[in-house]
Amino acid sequence: AQSVTQPDIHITVSEGASLELRCNYSYGATPYLFWYVQSPGQGLQLLLKYFSGDTLVQGIKGFEAEFKRSQSSFNLRKPSVHWSDAAEYFCAVAGGYNKLIFGAGTRLAVHP
Amino acid sequence: GAGVSQSPSNKVTEKGKDVELRCDPISGHTALYWYRQRLGQGLEFLIYFQGNSAPDKSGLPSDRFSAERTGESVSTLTIQRTQQEDSAVYLCASSLASVSSSYNEQFFGPGTRLTVL
Repeated sequence: AQSVTQPDIHITVSEGASLELRCNYSYGATPYLFWYVQSPGQGLQLLLKYFSGDTLVQGIKGFEAEFKRSQSSFNLRKPSVHWSDAAEYFCAVAGGYNKLIFGAGTRLAVHP
Repeated sequence: GAGVSQSPSNKVTEKGKDVELRCDPISGHTALYWYRQRLGQGLEFLIYFQGNSAPDKSGLPSDRFSAERTGESVSTLTIQRTQQEDSAVYLCASSLASVSSSYNEQFFGPGTRLTVL
């Protein structure tokens, strides 16, 4: 069955530090992979997506993610975190064309 | 342009009551999805509508849950005889037509927070 695992429930980093959020997926075919961000009181916003091609994808707000088929991973990175990046981050895989399968999320806290 | 809207934003109800949640998709989006997000968890797929095709109801957790959509317009998610475990945020998303050979981005609404006392 298709699934997404985000091993880190909660991560705290200092402002200006680098960030990596982990995501592992289980999917039989070539996956469509996504990272979403959810800020308090706001809906989900798409940060970036991977469909095919270059395994390093760039997204909004300075985020990037790397698809590694051999590790079934799609980790999200940012070189320098800003206080406004504090939010919950969800990794997702498209389970067929009509629904997204989400991980449980990683809550990011940023210390000044 | 206008995004996906949902109403109400918050709903408090008593156990055993029925509730209706509404979703207005982005104009022109033929695909519509409902998801549920329990506290501290990721989103769970509930149901998917694509134009006039039969909906994919594979994610509905019980027969107390149902949803309707007329054409490509508003959708309502109905929960009958609500239980405390139904407390969650219910999110709606819409997209351009989804086909097996491609994927169109889903745009999410702000959600309806349902609390069952």
